[in-house]
Amino acid sequence: GAGVSQSPSNKVTEKGKDVELRCDPISGHTALYWYRQSLGQGLEFLIYFQGNSAPDKSGLPSDRFSAERTGGSVSTLTIQRTQQEDSAVYLCASSLVAGEETQYFGPGTRLLVL
Amino acid sequence: KNEVEQSPQNLTAQEGEFITINCSYSVGISALHWLQQHPGGGIVSLFMLSSGKKKHGRLIATINIQEKHSSLHITASHPRDSAVYICAAYLQTGANNLFFGTGTRLTVIP
Repeated sequence: GAGVSQSPSNKVTEKGKDVELRCDPISGHTALYWYRQSLGQGLEFLIYFQGNSAPDKSGLPSDRFSAERTGGSVSTLTIQRTQQEDSAVYLCASSLVAGEETQYFGPGTRLLVL
Repeated sequence: KNEVEQSPQNLTAQEGEFITINCSYSVGISALHWLQQHPGGGIVSLFMLSSGKKKHGRLIATINIQEKHSSLHITASHPRDSAVYICAAYLQTGANNLFFGTGTRLTVIP
């Protein structure tokens, strides 16, 4: 497709389970970003990739969160032992390169932890 | 204190009115995005600018680097403009991610 895609679009899980969220960036975009939008809150940065490496992991809220990117394309955000406060919309964006470039956002994955 | 702040938080307007949403930031930035988020969550980038003014249809974005301020204007507003508008900045710290304002919820009444 032409845009950023994310899957699943919705995920309901039980507290303590692990979840994996997937992002497919726009073809040719070397930079990929993960953001989170909690209910009633603004957007917050989690992590970004330039190629397959993640120069800035400062936004990851805890060591239960990890992300990887392989082949300079698809990225997976993994949340281990989910907690209720992890419930949020997880948004992925991509840009041609990291830095002052327009970011294109995916539709998001809405995660609900019961 | 958030590095990027927006005002107003909520805005209700009559169809046809001229709308202004403001964004101010407390640190140096290298570029600023204006984003639109519709009900249902989809986010669209409206503009990215680092100086001057950009126009697209009824939307105009301006930025004044010295005053650390940007505005988004909507002329002849329409109910379909109802959305949350978010400004987001690339800070001059060398960080390559965006720092977001809290958003302005715009409702345009027919």
